[in-house]
Amino acid sequence: EPEVTQTPSHQVTQMGQEVILRCVPISNHLYFYWYRQILGQKVEFLVSFYNNEISEKSEIFDDQFSVERPDGSNFTLKIRSTKLEDSAMYFCAISRDRVTGELFFGEGSRLTVL
Amino acid sequence: QQQVKQSPQSLIVQKGGISIINCAYENTAFDYFPWYQQFPGKGPALLIAIRPDVSEKKEGRFTISFNKSAKQFSLHIMDSQPGDSATYFCAVSQSPGSSNTGKLIFGQGTTLQVKP
Repeated sequence: EPEVTQTPSHQVTQMGQEVILRCVPISNHLYFYWYRQILGQKVEFLVSFYNNEISEKSEIFDDQFSVERPDGSNFTLKIRSTKLEDSAMYFCAISRDRVTGELFFGEGSRLTVL
Repeated sequence: QQQVKQSPQSLIVQKGGISIINCAYENTAFDYFPWYQQFPGKGPALLIAIRPDVSEKKEGRFTISFNKSAKQFSLHIMDSQPGDSATYFCAVSQSPGSSNTGKLIFGQGTTLQVKP
């Protein structure tokens, strides 16, 4: 059973539309991450989230992106106004602690921006 | 800047052969070196990981060799099987205690094909 479930598995949207991707861990975790993988390319770090706030973000994570954990369970990534170049697989990852360094990835959400 | 360089980009190995994938990093502060396996349409899955206090770690057919002075580490897959065909990513991370948040920095990936 995966440590984390992501929804939707695939979303197609028009350029300029808002998209929300969701991540649900199966048990309590402290550290949450979003990563992006453009087709055929490497996995890129977007943002890390700890104690209900962003702890680090990459240069990719600009003002169009936001994250939150509204109900203490779901962890969401919002893209306010999608661009064609936002088309990618988005992976949520969780960590039980930062001592081991182990990150567990979800199955991903494929975003296609037309 | 490219903090992790992975090679080769693709690899074809016969069943039963040894697959070797290499990674080089720049920042000596990194102290956690995992390898992830990714099948098409799936998320990366942790395969094996090493810390710099050891030079080698073996789990089944998978071995990580670590050369701290050269800032390189490699994945060896012994007795490669068609089911090993996937994309493999090396990654680096830095332990908490500084400004690090435990994020992983991934290499470019290696597509492995094991021929029957």
